[in-house]
Amino acid sequence: EVQLVESGGGLVQPGGSLRLSCAASGFTFSTYSMNWVRQAPGKGLEWVSYISSSSTSIYYADSVKGRFTISRDNAKNSLYLQMNSLTAEDTAVYFCASPKGGYWGQGTLVTVSS
Amino acid sequence: DIVMTQTPLSLSVTPGQPASISCKSSQSLLHSDGKTYLYWYLQKPGQSPQLLIYEVSSRFSGVPDRFSGSGSGTDFTLKISRVEAEDVGVYYCMQGMHVITFGQGTRLEIK
Repeated sequence: EVQLVESGGGLVQPGGSLRLSCAASGFTFSTYSMNWVRQAPGKGLEWVSYISSSSTSIYYADSVKGRFTISRDNAKNSLYLQMNSLTAEDTAVYFCASPKGGYWGQGTLVTVSS
Repeated sequence: DIVMTQTPLSLSVTPGQPASISCKSSQSLLHSDGKTYLYWYLQKPGQSPQLLIYEVSSRFSGVPDRFSGSGSGTDFTLKISRVEAEDVGVYYCMQGMHVITFGQGTRLEIK
């Protein structure tokens, strides 16, 4: 069974940092490109970042470029998102996903507030 | 980036009746590999999105055959032949040509 389990969310002050993790199992993680997708409260789905299977291609949404860093460790079947300089607009549930394959985690809530 | 536009943004449907959602992309989703990278997702309340349709018209594993997808190029449609109570939620189209983008979502409720 495919599982993606996010962790690392929580409450952080504006300007602060968080590192999200996603543990993958049940599929050959090292052969899949991965994404982070977020959903602000009551809003739609917003793509955040993409990383290819071997980390050779990485892309970011304009809204997070220069502040967020995506990475992966195929030996540990793990995906990461380092988030710096957080603002209230980054408050959302963050999903780890390989959407073309239908794989999504349950999401982890990030709340940016003083 | 490719912009995805869904209509309508909300639907209220009587159980047993059909429903249809339109999705238009700002660029063709036909890739040079011959595939068209258009997907349909349903997000039920409190859940992660679940894949319904991939590459325009292929039903994902376990998806009931009352769900069907059609279209080409920039114009796509999701149809539910007979809506059931469990179909409530928000439907999203998604393009996968390059970095993914989603439509705004269509909220389906039961009358």
